[in-house]
Amino acid sequence: SAVISQKPSRDICQRGTSLTIQCQVDSQVTMMFWYRQQPGQSLTLIATANQGSEATYESGFVIDKFPISRPNLTFSTLTVSNLSPEDSSIYLCSAQDRYEQYFGPGTRLTVT
Amino acid sequence: AQSVTQLDSHVSVSEGTPVLLRCNYSSSYSPSLFWYVQHPNKGLQLLLKYTSAATLVKGINGFEAEFKKSETSFHLTKPSAHMSDAAEYFCVVSDLTSGTYKYIFGTGTRLKVLA
Repeated sequence: SAVISQKPSRDICQRGTSLTIQCQVDSQVTMMFWYRQQPGQSLTLIATANQGSEATYESGFVIDKFPISRPNLTFSTLTVSNLSPEDSSIYLCSAQDRYEQYFGPGTRLTVT
Repeated sequence: AQSVTQLDSHVSVSEGTPVLLRCNYSSSYSPSLFWYVQHPNKGLQLLLKYTSAATLVKGINGFEAEFKKSETSFHLTKPSAHMSDAAEYFCVVSDLTSGTYKYIFGTGTRLKVLA
């Protein structure tokens, strides 16, 4: 199994700024994923991040708003740009290990 | 295309009574199915998974689920609810055969356990 850590665990940001979330895996993995969980809602996949290639975004999510980096097999970042109150959510990363995804603890973002 | 439907957004049970959380799926391929639990302000925890082995899957904390292909269902059950089971439960479908490994989450079922 893989152990996932995320930084920061929570943040409060002002409208118009950006937040970069880091995701670290304790082992090498090919696929990593980023999810958003809006208040009281389920998880929605933002994008799939494979090492060495551009992230693949789901419908409704664009690279300009959610740029993702995947510099190696154990690390990824998600930036949420030009923040608005609607971006207030929990952002989770996960890593694929065989048939299962392992999830990080999440980053709780509040935009004021 | 894959999808998953959790039939109840809220379920209330009394402590010590059985729990049934319902999940139906749609998949063009042989799916993998998962149940996750999320306690308030906590991360996701895997309860159990089905990946084309035994159709009756046993998980942690006394939970189990049965994969029924004919009914396209994967309902989660527990014989006796405990107060600590109160949480949000997510049914997830994944399609391994397509190579994407993407998870599709259901909308969640909030389980309330009454004393």
